[in-house]
Amino acid sequence: GENVEQHPSTLSVQEGDSAVIKCTYSDSASNYFPWYKQELGKGPQLIIDIRSNVGEKKDQRIAVTLNKTAKHFSLHITETQPEDSAVYFCAAMFTDKLIFGTGTRLQVFP
Amino acid sequence: DTEVTQTPKHLVMGMTNKKSLKCEQHMGHRAMYWYKQKAKKPPELMFVYSYEKLSINESVPSRFSPECPNSSLLNLHLHALQPEDSALYLCATGTGGINEQFFGPGTRLTVL
Repeated sequence: GENVEQHPSTLSVQEGDSAVIKCTYSDSASNYFPWYKQELGKGPQLIIDIRSNVGEKKDQRIAVTLNKTAKHFSLHITETQPEDSAVYFCAAMFTDKLIFGTGTRLQVFP
Repeated sequence: DTEVTQTPKHLVMGMTNKKSLKCEQHMGHRAMYWYKQKAKKPPELMFVYSYEKLSINESVPSRFSPECPNSSLLNLHLHALQPEDSALYLCATGTGGINEQFFGPGTRLTVL
């Protein structure tokens, strides 16, 4: 069935370092891949997304890359800040349903 | 700030109670969603409404009953819940199809 794997489950970095979170998906027909940030006690916040006709997309300190052949996509955060600490979820759209990865808890230490 | 609001923020109910969760959006989106999120897990889709009509029910037990009274409102009626139904219930809205979904802050439900 539809599946999204996400790694790592936890990630600790020093402030100013980069963080990379990776996801793989099972259905080659998927063509929309959003990333969400969820802070404690809040709902998921859409931070960036990418469609299958694009290989890379950037928005200030965050970027997402997509390798459709390998069915991989990744989130890159540069110059991390303590306020980047949260749980990050990748997701893939299967027909009209979003399937989420298992989440990555990112901790940025000052 | 989110333009999807959910009430109440917290809800505690007994297994014999009937309660409702409410979601409101002011973005003019035609699709509205209910998700359930257990602790340390990703959101799981429950229901999808498109143009105020139920389009997807992910085999959710009948003790959960969704309702979409108009294009801005989405309700989730709860009856005879079990303790394992305790979770964060999230509403999301979007333009539908293969497009962005925007989440509300959620309702933290505890079933005693």
